[in-house]
Amino acid sequence: GIQVEQSPPDLILQEGANSTLRCNFSDSVNNLQWFHQNPWGQLINLFYIPSGTKQNGRLSATTVATERYSLLYISSSQTTDSGVYFCAVVRNSGNTPLVFGKGTRLSVIA
Amino acid sequence: DAGVIQSPRHEVTEMGQEVTLRCKPISGHNSLFWYRQTMMRGLELLIYFNNNVPIDDSGMPEDRFSAKMPNASFSTLKIQPSEPRDSAVYFCAVNAGLSGANVLTFGAGSRLTVL
Repeated sequence: GIQVEQSPPDLILQEGANSTLRCNFSDSVNNLQWFHQNPWGQLINLFYIPSGTKQNGRLSATTVATERYSLLYISSSQTTDSGVYFCAVVRNSGNTPLVFGKGTRLSVIA
Repeated sequence: DAGVIQSPRHEVTEMGQEVTLRCKPISGHNSLFWYRQTMMRGLELLIYFNNNVPIDDSGMPEDRFSAKMPNASFSTLKIQPSEPRDSAVYFCAVNAGLSGANVLTFGAGSRLTVL
């Protein structure tokens, strides 16, 4: 099956700093999503981004499908950004399951 | 998590007991997924349904696990008998995004501890 690798596995930031999280995948995808799992365990969909660039407030994401990677940018980080960020992909469009990476654990300290 | 309601949120049980986890998804979806999350294995797909029909249950660890979706508004995941290694957070998710796309909305999860 498709492999999803995320880096770095852990990241500690000072509040206000910027960061880039990376997701590499081993095959062509038609679906890529970024999720944030907060410290209470809730998984929230951040972006649906199989290609191109999207922005939502301080967060933005870029997927370069031809080179099989996606980046999640967090600017001016806040303590509420802490948690685990997951990248998930699927090879085919339609109702097939997402395959998740192992995540990047982000800790933002005041 | 207003779109997908899971219950119970927490359950502590003893080895050998039957466990039933419940999921009530929002309307408008046509696929439902059960995932399990552990520290060691991360997020793993257990089973998913399309239009209430089980499509792929290859992720279900053993025959002790079973899942049903009697209608579009309800699904259950049952473990019988439960074992300590089943301790995990179990998530239910549905696709609730663009037409033809699989954009997932997750429930809050059910944290299971088997003693």
